[in-house]
Amino acid sequence: ELKVEQNPLFLSMQEGKNYTIYCNYSTTSDRLYWYRQDPGKSLESLFVLLSNGAVKQEGRLMASLDTKARLSTLHITAAVHDLSATYFCAVGHREWSGATNKLIFGTGTLLAVQP
Amino acid sequence: DGGITQSPKYLFRKEGQNVTLSCEQNLNHDAMYWYRQDPGQGLRLIYYSQIVNDFQKGDIAEGYSVSREKKESFPLTVTSAQKNPTAFYLCASSTTYRETQHFGDGTRLSIL
Repeated sequence: ELKVEQNPLFLSMQEGKNYTIYCNYSTTSDRLYWYRQDPGKSLESLFVLLSNGAVKQEGRLMASLDTKARLSTLHITAAVHDLSATYFCAVGHREWSGATNKLIFGTGTLLAVQP
Repeated sequence: DGGITQSPKYLFRKEGQNVTLSCEQNLNHDAMYWYRQDPGQGLRLIYYSQIVNDFQKGDIAEGYSVSREKKESFPLTVTSAQKNPTAFYLCASSTTYRETQHFGDGTRLSIL
């Protein structure tokens, strides 16, 4: 069974600092996504990573994927208050029979950027 | 504008009552999904559909039912068998199962 673990679960950081959120998953997968959720709101797609070594960047956020280590990272550079949100990784899961195709979500990382 | 519309935004359920949450998309997506989110937790998959007239159970399907009679619509019924229905319910869709899922704004369901 595919399991997805994120750490840390909660991250309080000061503006201007750098930090990394980690997403580990337990079995092989062909795709990994990062989403952002503001309190009480829906999920916004940030990145999709489809191959080993893939790196995507948007503004102060950069995501990478190491399929051999089954690890993705979301790096935050020079954090600003607007980045405060919960960040989820989600890993694609397809059973051998092809009968099931779904995403398994991590528990999320609550990021609070303090002025 | 294309998007996913969930309604209602807030819903209250009485004991023993079935309630239906609506999800409509005009993105021409084949795949649609229902998730449940409890406070401070990630999303758990309830049901999903990869094509019209076909759907599959997710990880927590007990106490829920769905239909997919039209490509644009994927309603979720929370039955009286679901003993702990209070949660935030999110509907999503994607072009195919491999593509990025796009989410609606959610329905918050509470018990009266």
